[in-house]
Amino acid sequence: ETGVTQTPRHLVMGMTNKKSLKCEQHLGHNAMYWYKQSAKKPLELMFVYSLEERVENNSVPSRFSPECPNSSHLFLHLHTLQPEDSALYLCASSQGNNEQFFGPGTRLTVL
Amino acid sequence: EDQVTQSPEALRLQEGESSSLNCSYTVSGLRGLFWYRQDPGKGPEFLFTLYSAGEEKEKERLKATLTKKESFLHITAPKPEDSATYLCAVQAGTASKLTFGTGTRLQVTL
Repeated sequence: ETGVTQTPRHLVMGMTNKKSLKCEQHLGHNAMYWYKQSAKKPLELMFVYSLEERVENNSVPSRFSPECPNSSHLFLHLHTLQPEDSALYLCASSQGNNEQFFGPGTRLTVL
Repeated sequence: EDQVTQSPEALRLQEGESSSLNCSYTVSGLRGLFWYRQDPGKGPEFLFTLYSAGEEKEKERLKATLTKKESFLHITAPKPEDSATYLCAVQAGTASKLTFGTGTRLQVTL
């Protein structure tokens, strides 16, 4: 595996389900990110993990919960989502504040 | 608050017809301006980083330039495979956060 990988690539879930998105980076970077991309809107930063510190966008609802067990892996735990949470969820990594490299994304549909 | 505005929203070119995409920004203490290419259903692909006014970078048919208020992505003699959405993002100060624009959707036809 090379670059940034994400699983699953597609996910359909009901509003009462609990699921997790997984991201793994093979670039030796020390920072990882979750972004949300909705139609006609700019990419929205949700969470940053840098050197095991967590920075978050205060507007992100608590039904999204990140986990970063080490510098190569990042998870986004989902529970009790709403239909408006349907979007492309992108993971990225970087070395410090340098350019960020993105994974292919998880297309999430909430029914 | 950092802001990024990209124009046009969509652009249709014929193969070989050169043009430019614009990225206007408002940021306190620009650290870097980034250009990405995104194909449908995929994650953004990194193209360039520009750090200071007057800087230019090139890659194949693409050339990015930067002033104190805006950046341009010049596309010379485009081909159909250049069709994609081009995203611009800025980074300010010491933060790692990127603020993105909504992108320019480019279509190149034969």
